[in-house]
Amino acid sequence: EVQLVQSGAEVKKPGESLKVSCKGSGYIFSNYWIAWVRQMPGKGLEWMGNIYPGDSFTKYSLSFEGQVTISVDKSISTAYLQWSSLKASDTAMYYCARSESGALDYWGQGTLVTVSP
Amino acid sequence: EKVLTQSPATLSVSPGGRATLSCRASQSVSDNLAWYQQKPGQPPRLLIYGASTRAIGVPARFSGSGSGTEFTLTISSLQSEDFAIYYCQQYSNWPQTFGQGTKVEIK
Repeated sequence: EVQLVQSGAEVKKPGESLKVSCKGSGYIFSNYWIAWVRQMPGKGLEWMGNIYPGDSFTKYSLSFEGQVTISVDKSISTAYLQWSSLKASDTAMYYCARSESGALDYWGQGTLVTVSP
Repeated sequence: EKVLTQSPATLSVSPGGRATLSCRASQSVSDNLAWYQQKPGQPPRLLIYGASTRAIGVPARFSGSGSGTEFTLTISSLQSEDFAIYYCQQYSNWPQTFGQGTKVEIK
């Protein structure tokens, strides 16, 4: 059974750093892109970027490039989304998803990130 | 960037009724379009990919059509579990983009 399991909810202060994780199982992790998607409170879905675990090739949305870092450790089938300095506007639910030729066929349960003074 | 515009923003339908959701792309995306369903407190669920192919386990009452710039998701006979928000997504090129969503509510 394909599963993506994300790390738990986080509460941080502005300026702090954060790394959230997404662990895949039930399939060959290296062979499928992983996407990260943001959903701000009460809003729609925003594509942040994708990473290919086989070679760590990464594509970012222009809106997120330079704001976050997407990385992967294929030895433990885990992808990461990282901030070096959080802002209040980063408060959102973050989802990872497996990309099957572009369509996102399996999703993690989401990681809620709250940034508050 | 290819912009996806969904209409209507909200659709009120009676249980057992038919729902027709639209997604329009600012440029051709060929058939590289997917539809997702999202219920409160849950991640999105893939319904349709390749514009018209149902994902594994998706009931036959969900159907997708279209190509190029005009796409439709049809739910033929709405069940209680179908009341949710629906998003389209294009993956024809980078950046991938989502529509703003259509909420299907009980009439």
